[in-house]
Amino acid sequence: EIVLTQSPGTLSLSPGERATLSCRASQSVNSRYLAWYQQKPGQAPRLLIYSTSTRATGVPGRFSGSGSGTDFTLTINSLEPEDFAVFYCHHYSRSPFTFGQGTRLETK
Amino acid sequence: EVHLVQSGAEVKKPGESLKISCKASGHIFTSDSIAWVRQRPGKGLEWMGIIYPADSDRRYNPSFQGQVTFSVDRSINTVYLQWSSLKASDTAIYYCARHEVYDDGPGWLDSWGQGTLVTVSS
Repeated sequence: EIVLTQSPGTLSLSPGERATLSCRASQSVNSRYLAWYQQKPGQAPRLLIYSTSTRATGVPGRFSGSGSGTDFTLTINSLEPEDFAVFYCHHYSRSPFTFGQGTRLETK
Repeated sequence: EVHLVQSGAEVKKPGESLKISCKASGHIFTSDSIAWVRQRPGKGLEWMGIIYPADSDRRYNPSFQGQVTFSVDRSINTVYLQWSSLKASDTAIYYCARHEVYDDGPGWLDSWGQGTLVTVSS
């Protein structure tokens, strides 16, 4: 099983700042098989990024993904008030398709 | 786009059985697969496994193997998650989500149901 470890656990930033979220895999993951989701309180998760760097339909350009091998990053430029939420990375390389434990992005 | 609608919240006692549903509508491909994802209160997402509605093939996360059963009724585009004997630790929100088809296999989860809250308490 591939274990995904996200850091930091909580990130406190202000609107307008840049957020950098990390996802580290216990084994190498093909970059085609790594996604990011955003979850707001009381809502289902929403797909943000797939194949490491491709934004899902309707996702603003301030969201970007990068990485390869075991290290992946979600960057949110110029945070908007609606961006504050919990973010999960997820691999679909081979079963079981695990999630990271999440990073909470909170308003400073 | 696939739209997933799940059954409503459930309150059960330990030892009881339960079956919750996830109905799909929209453009459904024969190679689609549906995952179940658990989220315990205040915790993260756990991928439980996957079912292919076209042939009922199922793959369980070893952590959930033997604890739950996935099934499908193709005639009504509905997949199910079932427990034969619930425990308090099964208390969680359960989401169904569609895996996009990618490289002839499951890809990212692009459509999610609204979630079903299951509460198990004596």
